[in-house]
Amino acid sequence: AQSVTQPDIHITVSEGASLELRCNYSYGATPYLFWYVQSPGQGLQLLLKYFSGDTLVQGIKGFEAEFKRSQSSFNLRKPSVHWSDAAEYFCAVGGILTGGGNKLTFGTGTQLKVEL
Amino acid sequence: KAGVTQTPRYLIKTRGQQVTLSCSPISGHRSVSWYQQTPGQGLQFLFEYFSETQRNKGNFPGRFSGRQFSNSRSEMNVSTLELGDSALYLCASSLAWGQGREQYFGPGTRLTVT
Repeated sequence: AQSVTQPDIHITVSEGASLELRCNYSYGATPYLFWYVQSPGQGLQLLLKYFSGDTLVQGIKGFEAEFKRSQSSFNLRKPSVHWSDAAEYFCAVGGILTGGGNKLTFGTGTQLKVEL
Repeated sequence: KAGVTQTPRYLIKTRGQQVTLSCSPISGHRSVSWYQQTPGQGLQFLFEYFSETQRNKGNFPGRFSGRQFSNSRSEMNVSTLELGDSALYLCASSLAWGQGREQYFGPGTRLTVT
């Protein structure tokens, strides 16, 4: 079945440590790929997106993501995590493969906790 | 530029009632999408509008409806509320309707059905 999967429900890292959040998709071709972040009581903020081209995408707040076609993955990374990065992170897919228009299909999210 | 605004932010309704939620997109944005977020089902697409026309619809019962006005503002309505409709309802706006355009989300309306 077509889906987007975030295997890690919770991740805890120490402040200053590196971070990698996993995202895998299962579609017949490469959809448009997005990462969003949601802080408690807030809406979703777009961190970065991949449509085509360079497989390493830079986003806001020091985040980057790497698209790997062979692994159907779009993992989010940050070299050094700050306490303010504690939030829930959602991988999402869009485009014609997911129904077209601007519709997004979201993963189940990864809750990031940062230890001081 | 002001972001997406949603009103009200919090709402408590009784089972069987109906509710209307409002969304004002970013100035100049003409496409509005709605999502439901619950702990059990996660983020699910409800519908999206562009130029006052529904362009896409998710897998929700007919009790969920929406519309878009000529100024791009959008409303969604849920009739005959059920306990399971308790959720955070998020609105997102985009410049236009098309393939995977960037969407900007509002803070959401927290609906509690008792």
